[in-house]
Amino acid sequence: KNQVEQSPQSLIILEGKNCTLQCNYTVSPFSNLRWYKQDTGRGPVSLTIMTFSENTKSNGRYTATLDADTKQSSLHITASQLSDSASYICVVSGRSSASKIIFGSGTRLSIRP
Amino acid sequence: EAQVTQNPRYLITVTGKKLTVTCSQNMNHEYMSWYRQDPGLGLRQIYYSMNVEVTDKGDVPEGYKVSRKEKRNFPLILESPSPNQTSLYFCASRLAGVGTDTQYFGPGTRLTVL
Repeated sequence: KNQVEQSPQSLIILEGKNCTLQCNYTVSPFSNLRWYKQDTGRGPVSLTIMTFSENTKSNGRYTATLDADTKQSSLHITASQLSDSASYICVVSGRSSASKIIFGSGTRLSIRP
Repeated sequence: EAQVTQNPRYLITVTGKKLTVTCSQNMNHEYMSWYRQDPGLGLRQIYYSMNVEVTDKGDVPEGYKVSRKEKRNFPLILESPSPNQTSLYFCASRLAGVGTDTQYFGPGTRLTVL
């Protein structure tokens, strides 16, 4: 069964610190992996997208990595800010159908001053 | 401004009373989709549409209907809502293709069925 699992479920860090969120997936064949940021009460917003051949992608203080062999991805946030408090969702698309998308349940990140 | 809009944003209704949640996008996207988000479960796809008059079931289509008569609109219809359809609903759109294009989400509709 195609699955996307994220860890940790929730994380609290102090402002200015770095953190790394994890995503493991079993979706196969694999097409692409995205990370979304979802603020409370808002729709998800795309941060990065990586295809099979890419192993890292940056968007400002966000850096995503992908290891397609081990089916793992991480999202690293550098020098966290209060506005980084949100849920981060890993989404994996399978190649077998352009419309099949599997969402992880997200990591709830809280940045404390 | 490129965006996906949903209406209403909040809705409280009673079991069995038909309702429609509208979704509209101004980016000329072919692909549109509806999701529901429940605590601990992540987003689950209800229905999707690859283009006008082309719709298909997602992972949790039971109790929902959709239509795609125009490219920009993709309404979600609950013919007879039940309490288990209480959830946060998101509409999304993107260009068609192999799925590497960014998917844009609407602001969400919080539905409560009593």
